[in-house]
Amino acid sequence: EVQLVQSGAEVKKPGESLKISCKGSGYSFTNYWIGWVRQMPGKGLEWMGIIYPGDSDTRYSPSFQGQVTISADKSISTAYLQWSSLKASDTAMYYCARQCEGCSFDYWGQGTLVTVSS
Amino acid sequence: DIQMTQSPSSLSASVGDRVTITCRASQGISNSLAWFQQKPGKAPKSLIYAASSLQSGVPSKFSGSGSGTDFTLTISSLQPEDFATYYCQQYNSYPQSFGQGTKLEIK
Repeated sequence: EVQLVQSGAEVKKPGESLKISCKGSGYSFTNYWIGWVRQMPGKGLEWMGIIYPGDSDTRYSPSFQGQVTISADKSISTAYLQWSSLKASDTAMYYCARQCEGCSFDYWGQGTLVTVSS
Repeated sequence: DIQMTQSPSSLSASVGDRVTITCRASQGISNSLAWFQQKPGKAPKSLIYAASSLQSGVPSKFSGSGSGTDFTLTISSLQPEDFATYYCQQYNSYPQSFGQGTKLEIK
């Protein structure tokens, strides 16, 4: 059974760093892209970026380039989304999702709620 | 970048109705279009890929069509569990992008 399990909710202060994770199981982790999607409170879905764990090829939305870093550790089938300095506007639910080459997202993680507040 | 525009933004319908949601791309995306359903407090669920192909396990009451710039999602015989927000997404080119969503509410 394909599963993407994300790390738990986080409460952080502005300026702090954070790394959240998405662990894949039930499939060959290196043969699928993992994308990250932001959903701010009460708002729609925003595509942030995507990584191919097989060779770490990474693409970012211009809206998020330089604001976050996407990485993966294929030895433990885990993808990451990280911030070096959080802002209150980073408060949102973050989802990871699996995508094959030339395909759409098929499986989604359960989401990680990030709250940034002083 | 490709902009995705959904219409309507919200829609009221009754149990048993058939509804259609439209998604338009700002430039041609072939058939690289997916539809997702999201219920409050839940992760999105994948419904359709390649504009018209159902994901495994998705009931045939959901159907998609279109190619190029104009796409539709049709849901027949609405049931209470179908009332949710629906999003389209293009994956033809980077950055990939979502429509703004269509909230389907019970009349």
